[in-house]
Amino acid sequence: GQQLNQSPQSMFIQEGEDVSMNCTSSSIFNTWLWYKQDPGEGPVLLIALYKAGELTSNGRLTAQFGITRKDSFLNISASIPSDVGIYFCAGNSNSGYALNFGKGTSLLVTP
Amino acid sequence: ETGVTQTPRHLVMGMTNKKSLKCEQHLGHNAMYWYKQSAKKPLELMFVYSLEERVENNSVPSRFSPECPNSSHLFLHLHTLQPEDSALYLCASSQTSEYTDTQYFGPGTRLTVL
Repeated sequence: GQQLNQSPQSMFIQEGEDVSMNCTSSSIFNTWLWYKQDPGEGPVLLIALYKAGELTSNGRLTAQFGITRKDSFLNISASIPSDVGIYFCAGNSNSGYALNFGKGTSLLVTP
Repeated sequence: ETGVTQTPRHLVMGMTNKKSLKCEQHLGHNAMYWYKQSAKKPLELMFVYSLEERVENNSVPSRFSPECPNSSHLFLHLHTLQPEDSALYLCASSQTSEYTDTQYFGPGTRLTVL
């Protein structure tokens, strides 16, 4: 599958700060997904986006499906220690069953 | 939302053993997936089953053998594995349609091959 460019690779922030991460692809996607994975666990779906320009929130998380359909971002506001984990973006072009995944953004939050 | 369970959660096996990983989804989905996640690598899709038929097999060695007896259950049979096969094996399911293919993951099986 296609490799997505996800950045940053890692972030070290203080509790209460806002976080932003993004993902880009070289081809158009019809679906963008954001997952969070804790150590030793499977990825948990945070937000799913299905339309270009769509802006969706889930509590302190907000994600957007880019207008070009080749990018997406995830924002976390007022971070807390339990936000620690690895965040993955994933996209699907509906040309097959495969989800294309980014390499992940590792988030550390210090109290 | 999970609704996808995997057993066992941890497995240690020798290279000559035969073992099986089990996945069950309680979401009424029609597609199931096996992924391999190694340290510092992106998720690697191994197999896809849609309506109980294998629709993708991404050049996975024959020592991994999937089985999907019905739309809720997926197995991964393992035999004569290599130490480099040690990884987190993740199962996922989705309800495939023209517009959505959102996949929901299980907690994974941490496999160690000695």
